[in-house]
Amino acid sequence: DTEVTQTPKHLVMGMTNKKSLKCEQHMGHRAMYWYKQKAKKPPELMFVYSYEKLSINESVPSRFSPECPNSSLLNLHLHALQPEDSALYLCASSREEGTGELFFGEGSRLTVL
Amino acid sequence: KQEVTQIPAALSVPEGENLVLNCSFTDSAIYNLQWFRQDPGKGLTSLLLIQSSQREQTSGRLNASLDKSSGRSTLYIAASQPGDSATYLCAVRPGRNYGQNFVFGPGTRLSVLP
Repeated sequence: DTEVTQTPKHLVMGMTNKKSLKCEQHMGHRAMYWYKQKAKKPPELMFVYSYEKLSINESVPSRFSPECPNSSLLNLHLHALQPEDSALYLCASSREEGTGELFFGEGSRLTVL
Repeated sequence: KQEVTQIPAALSVPEGENLVLNCSFTDSAIYNLQWFRQDPGKGLTSLLLIQSSQREQTSGRLNASLDKSSGRSTLYIAASQPGDSATYLCAVRPGRNYGQNFVFGPGTRLSVLP
C-alpha cells in the first residue's frame, strides 16, 4: 500500500471559520509533510514532521497550525485565513526525513471566501 | 542553494512520438532525484526515483537518466499516448545540506494529441 489519503477533497471556508485538513498513511513512514500549491506552480514546502516532532516550519503564518497526533496521522488546522490562502494543499510522506521516495496524497482544494 | 529548472515549459506532440523532458540542477551534490506527474487539480504521482549512485531507472515506457556531473536528468517517454498528458515535475533532494528537503522544478506541461 503506497497510499496517502487526504480529507476533505474540497473545502470552502470564510475568513472567520476554523477548519482542519487531515492526512493519513499506513506505509510506516516516519516523515510527513505539508505542501501548498498554487495554480501552475510547483509545490511549496510548509511543514515537516519527523518521528512525530515538528522538524521544519518554512516561516508559515500562524493561521496555519500543524499537528501530528501519531506516526500515521497529520493534521493542518486552519483559522482566520485570507483569500490568498486559497490553494491545493498536499500531504506527503517518506520513509525518513531527507531520504527515500516521496509519496503524495490527492490534495485538499481550499477556497477562502 | 540548490535550484532546479525544467525545459521546455510546455510541449505538444502527436500520439506515438518518443519524447524527452529535461531537468537541470545547479549543485551536483544530490542525494536523489525523483520524477512526478501531476494531472490537473490532483496530487503528484511518483514515476521514478534515481539515487545519486545510479545512472538510470526504467518503468514501462518511461526511462529516467541522471548525470550528476553536468547537473542534468532526462525523462524519456516512449510511444507517447494521450493519457500521458499531464505536468511532469522533477525534484532534487540536496546532499550537502541534509536538512534541506526536495527542491522542485517548475514542471513541463505535456499535451499528447490523438
